[in-house]
Amino acid sequence: QVELQESGPGLVKPSQTLSLTCTVSGGSTSSGGYYWTWIRQYPGKGLEWIGYIYYTGSAYYNPSLKSRVTISVDTSNNQFSLKLSSVTAADTAVYYCAREKGGGYYFDYWGQGTLVAVSS
Amino acid sequence: QSALTQPASVSGSPGQSITISCTGTSSDVGSYKFVSWYQQHPGKAPKLMIYEVSQRPSGVSDRFSGSKSGNTASLTISGLQAEDEADYYCCSYAGSSTVIFGGGTELTVL
Repeated sequence: QVELQESGPGLVKPSQTLSLTCTVSGGSTSSGGYYWTWIRQYPGKGLEWIGYIYYTGSAYYNPSLKSRVTISVDTSNNQFSLKLSSVTAADTAVYYCAREKGGGYYFDYWGQGTLVAVSS
Repeated sequence: QSALTQPASVSGSPGQSITISCTGTSSDVGSYKFVSWYQQHPGKAPKLMIYEVSQRPSGVSDRFSGSKSGNTASLTISGLQAEDEADYYCCSYAGSSTVIFGGGTELTVL
């Protein structure tokens, strides 16, 4: 059974960089066939795909966030990470990491989510 | 990219069937078979219910089914049960290795 767990600060100041890590167990970030994904959910409900990365390091981002987002993978520690720069209150959300079935564009395993608030 | 359009809420009585629509464009839903649906209970992570328009993952009840016509995908839940009360989200491939979600639908079981 694949499990994903997000970790990182729950509070970030405006204009700073939000950094989160997802630790994968029961599966390997170095195996092909899957993309390791970040998705966020605003307090009002909506889900937003942020981007995903393959074990090779190839990453794809939501065009609306592309200038501020970096996703990286650390296969030696079976983790992948999200960095979102220049955050504002509009970036306050629950951040989920998930596994995407490569080529299928669906997310079969999700982390429990972590709330990140942007506030001074 | 604009979010896919879903009704804000739907409701039904136990035993009934309901359908949730998900309308996109010819650039996303209309062009690809990669539509998926997720169920989310309060305080929980979304759960995959349907992938590739109409495929059910192992362990998902066959009361859940998906379909697509043109730019609109649909999720149908038959034999509605109290445990089906949740938020439902559609998701579609939107080209250029990007993905887009719907705004979500709140299902109430009366």
